[in-house]
Amino acid sequence: KQEVTQIPAALSVPEGENLVLNCSFTDSAIYNLQWFRQDPGKGLTSLLLIQSSQREQTSGRLNASLDKSSGRSTLYIAASQPGDSATYLCAVLGGGTSYGKLTFGQGTILTVHP
Amino acid sequence: NAGVTQTPKFRILKIGQSMTLQCAQDMNHNYMYWYRQDPGMGLKLIYYSVGAGITDKGEVPNGYNVSRSTTEDFPLRLELAAPSQTSVYFCASSTVGYNEQFFGPGTRLTVL
Repeated sequence: KQEVTQIPAALSVPEGENLVLNCSFTDSAIYNLQWFRQDPGKGLTSLLLIQSSQREQTSGRLNASLDKSSGRSTLYIAASQPGDSATYLCAVLGGGTSYGKLTFGQGTILTVHP
Repeated sequence: NAGVTQTPKFRILKIGQSMTLQCAQDMNHNYMYWYRQDPGMGLKLIYYSVGAGITDKGEVPNGYNVSRSTTEDFPLRLELAAPSQTSVYFCASSTVGYNEQFFGPGTRLTVL
């Protein structure tokens, strides 16, 4: 059974810092990995999707990497801003017996203070 | 395109009541999914469907039922609501199982 773990559970940084959020998964048979942002009481906003054949994806100040063989992904946020404060969720889309099933981590709560 | 829509946005139920959460998509996606998110947690798969007339259980199906009579709609039925079903429910869809899933805005359900 696929398990996804996110570290740290919470992170508080001053504005302007670069930061890294970590995601690990137990089964490397995945189609893709996706990072989402969730604001309190709101839905999911997709940030980046990395296909299993890719190593990284970039969007603005965000860069996500994927090392499928080691079961790890990182989300790098450059020059953090208070508006980046949210919960960040990592999810992997399974293959094999988990075909089509998205397994989520518990999330990292990020607070960027001015 | 409206994408994935869910109704209602909020609902309060009493223990033992029943209700149906509605989900619709206008992207002609074959696959549809229901997830629940408990406070401070990630999402967990309740049920999914690979096409009209075909549904299957996910990780946490107990207490729920689904049906898929059309490509567009995938309602989730709660029978005999319990406090443990207090959660936020998200519906999602995708073209096929290995493609990106698109999420609706969620339904916040409280059972008292």
